[in-house]
Amino acid sequence: AQTVTQSQPEMSVQEAETVTLSCTYDTSESDYYLFWYKQPPSRQMILVIRQEAYKQQNATENRFSVNFQKAAKSFSLKISDSQLGDAAMYFCAYRSLGGMRFGAGTRLTVKP
Amino acid sequence: EAGVAQSPRYKIIEKRQSVAFWCNPISGHATLYWYQQILGQGPKLLIQFQNNGVVDDSQLPKDRFSAERLKGVDSTLKIQPAKLEDSAVYLCASSLMGTPVSYEQYFGPGTRLTVT
Repeated sequence: AQTVTQSQPEMSVQEAETVTLSCTYDTSESDYYLFWYKQPPSRQMILVIRQEAYKQQNATENRFSVNFQKAAKSFSLKISDSQLGDAAMYFCAYRSLGGMRFGAGTRLTVKP
Repeated sequence: EAGVAQSPRYKIIEKRQSVAFWCNPISGHATLYWYQQILGQGPKLLIQFQNNGVVDDSQLPKDRFSAERLKGVDSTLKIQPAKLEDSAVYLCASSLMGTPVSYEQYFGPGTRLTVT
């Protein structure tokens, strides 16, 4: 079974600084996708960024980028120029044909 | 474009009572998912529908949980009877299709269930 591990229950960052959230996963499959979702206190989950396992190039979406290390099964999220609105729970997720699996989440606090 | 709608937003019941949640996905989305999110944990998939058929219900506790999507549009999730450990947020999500797996899932606001 696929598992997703987020080893940082909480992280904090100063506004305008950069922070990296860690995620590792375990799978024996070769074709899969990885996602980072954001869940603000209002509870609506929002997709931040996705990465196809077959692509070597790391995905980037504006201030959000990932460091995908397939051999190490690592998928970290970097948030640059952090903003107050980035404060939320961040979930790493893995998806293959078997459905989506989420990590336990990292609570990000942004300090003004 | 309207998002995924869920109701009610909050529900408090006593153990052994029954409860039902409703979800209306984004128009045109063939795939619908129900997740359970216990406090401090990530969402856990309970059931996945493709149109009105079940694709995956391997993690659904079938002795007390049931779900249906009769016309391939909105869906209901029922718990009967509820236990204390069912206290959680129940999230509904939808996507255009279940495959390819890259299709984004859009989440509703969730229903927070408290079982006392």
